[in-house]
Amino acid sequence: QSALTQPASVSGSPGQSIAISCTGTTSDVGGYDYVSWYQQHPGKAPKVIIYDVSKRPSGVSNRFSGSKSGYTASLTISGLQADDEADYYCCSYAGSSTYVFGTGTKVTVL
Amino acid sequence: QVQLVESGGGVVQPGGSLRLSCAASGFIFSNYGMHWVRQAPGKGLEWVTFIRYDGSSQHYAYSVKGRFTISRDNSKTTLYLQMNSLRVEDTAVYYCVKGHDYDLDYWGQGTLVTVSS
Repeated sequence: QSALTQPASVSGSPGQSIAISCTGTTSDVGGYDYVSWYQQHPGKAPKVIIYDVSKRPSGVSNRFSGSKSGYTASLTISGLQADDEADYYCCSYAGSSTYVFGTGTKVTVL
Repeated sequence: QVQLVESGGGVVQPGGSLRLSCAASGFIFSNYGMHWVRQAPGKGLEWVTFIRYDGSSQHYAYSVKGRFTISRDNSKTTLYLQMNSLRVEDTAVYYCVKGHDYDLDYWGQGTLVTVSS
């Protein structure tokens, strides 16, 4: 149950696109198409923005998109906005009703 | 609307026990699995435990297995987390989270547990 690996920080200017990677193993990311992504603003509870690798819950902007290749999942934020500045966490199903989160990425809008 | 309200957090000494509760409303509680997720101060999210919709099975992170017990009372739409043999490293905000297939779709605001002498 080691945490999935994410970059500690990613930054971009308003309007740009950024991508956040999430690397796991065959026991989690590589073994299941059940990766979700969560956005957390300071002092707030996390909010799901992507589930099942690439699906968006209703109400989530289509500027957020997800994908997966092998052991690595990715979250792309296009048209970066000031409100996108937050921490982002990936999460993968790891079998037997267990889950593992990523180490988290701080997104800064320059 | 879905509401999850945690309670029971506080300060406890190492080796002590605490029971967290999560009052759920706005959805059919007995139809969904539920999780506890924690976040140490200034740190990332850590999945802690999951219970099936009917309470028939429970699953735990290695870090809490044998010390924490998740349970639920569907008649009271309430989720519980019994935490025994608490350690300093268990200090965190504990979130009650509704399951949705293979993701976690609604989160409570969390309750802070501090383990300190």
